[in-house]
Amino acid sequence: TQLLEQSPQFLSIQEGENLTVYCNSSSVFSSLQWYRQEPGEGPVLLVTVVTGGEVKKLKRLTFQFGDARKDSSLHITAAQPGDTGLYLCAGARNQGGKLIFGQGTELSVKP
Amino acid sequence: NAGVMQNPRHLVRRRGQEARLRCSPMKGHSHVYWYRQLPEEGLKFMVYLQKENIIDESGMPKERFSAEFPKEGPSILRIQQVVRGDSAAYFCASSPRTGDGNTIYFGEGSWLTVV
Repeated sequence: TQLLEQSPQFLSIQEGENLTVYCNSSSVFSSLQWYRQEPGEGPVLLVTVVTGGEVKKLKRLTFQFGDARKDSSLHITAAQPGDTGLYLCAGARNQGGKLIFGQGTELSVKP
Repeated sequence: NAGVMQNPRHLVRRRGQEARLRCSPMKGHSHVYWYRQLPEEGLKFMVYLQKENIIDESGMPKERFSAEFPKEGPSILRIQQVVRGDSAAYFCASSPRTGDGNTIYFGEGSWLTVV
């Protein structure tokens, strides 16, 4: 059972475009993390959101946690080729590091 | 990747051999987690350990897999009698404590190939 559904799975866009990646679940999470993973490397933490409705910004990246803490989104403004990579959302049900990961969104930004 | 050290980075084993993967958490971190990423699949939780204790092993296969985090030294994920289906990337992560928004930091992974 996939508890966290990410969409889209694949996204290919031109440099300068905006995009949004969604992470949805029917379950409530105590927190949600977004990671980015390059081929052959481990996931690198981008952000942790904890409070329902919370919005966090990291340069051109905006992360939002749904009011009910069941979903999250990642919005990238003016995408650049350096944004290319696998984006993963991961939810936690309780305290501790047991995370449930989505399948990931493979983003390709073409110059 | 925030100082979590894993070795070896790449390991090739023949079917039936043993694989040992090591993980040194970030300095000051006493909680270690192992995750597995199978080809074309997402990251799956395997086990959560604190020093000398297994806290949650609900994601560990019932046979051939074991993990430890001794008082001294790195955490070890051990896979006995490896089979081709064990070929995957194994990631270790650590955190200073539970809570803190469940934030954990991953190592760069150990890629196991079973031939």
